[in-house]
Amino acid sequence: EPEVTQTPSHQVTQMGQEVILRCVPISNHLYFYWYRQILGQKVEFLVSFYNNEISEKSEIFDDQFSVERPDGSNFTLKIRSTKLEDSAMYFCANPGGAAAFFGQGTRLTVV
Amino acid sequence: TQLLEQSPQFLSIQEGENLTVYCNSSSVFSSLQWYRQEPGEGPVLLVTVVTGGEVKKLKRLTFQFGDARKDSSLHITAAQPGDTGLYLCAGAGGSQGNLIFGKGTKLSVKP
Repeated sequence: EPEVTQTPSHQVTQMGQEVILRCVPISNHLYFYWYRQILGQKVEFLVSFYNNEISEKSEIFDDQFSVERPDGSNFTLKIRSTKLEDSAMYFCANPGGAAAFFGQGTRLTVV
Repeated sequence: TQLLEQSPQFLSIQEGENLTVYCNSSSVFSSLQWYRQEPGEGPVLLVTVVTGGEVKKLKRLTFQFGDARKDSSLHITAAQPGDTGLYLCAGAGGSQGNLIFGKGTKLSVKP
């Protein structure tokens, strides 16, 4: 199965701090997605990003979130001012037909 | 709002038993996927079903898509401890990459 790589695997941050989560997608994919999963809850769609633009975002993806492609191969999810409720697993993914290939995730803990 | 309901929520069985888990919706989906997720990791795609009535087999796992494309089932024959995990179904919710997930069925297979 194609591999999507995420760093860091675990991040602990103080409430109000900015965090940047990183993803290296499958080579040559123009589409990538971010999802989150709060402990014990559903996997939830955040945003899809195509060719350097947001193509769709959910209600969760408010102004404190942003996505970027800082260079040719890496994608980032930035949370500007973290809140306790942002604690979750964050997954990036690439398309696999109608489905998606997910990275192993970043566990974000806001304290 | 499209929702996917999975049942049962938890299932604990003995090695060698058969089981079926279900994924139901009141909405029609163009396709449904099944994923397996281990604790602390990302969902891993098992199968995508696209055509109403379609049946796909993956070793001891049999996946079926309902004729009306509103539901799907996963049947495991002769379950093994290695089948233990969280089984998620997901369907396309909007544009590319916007997947709607069910809450999952947590399967435990005891030796």
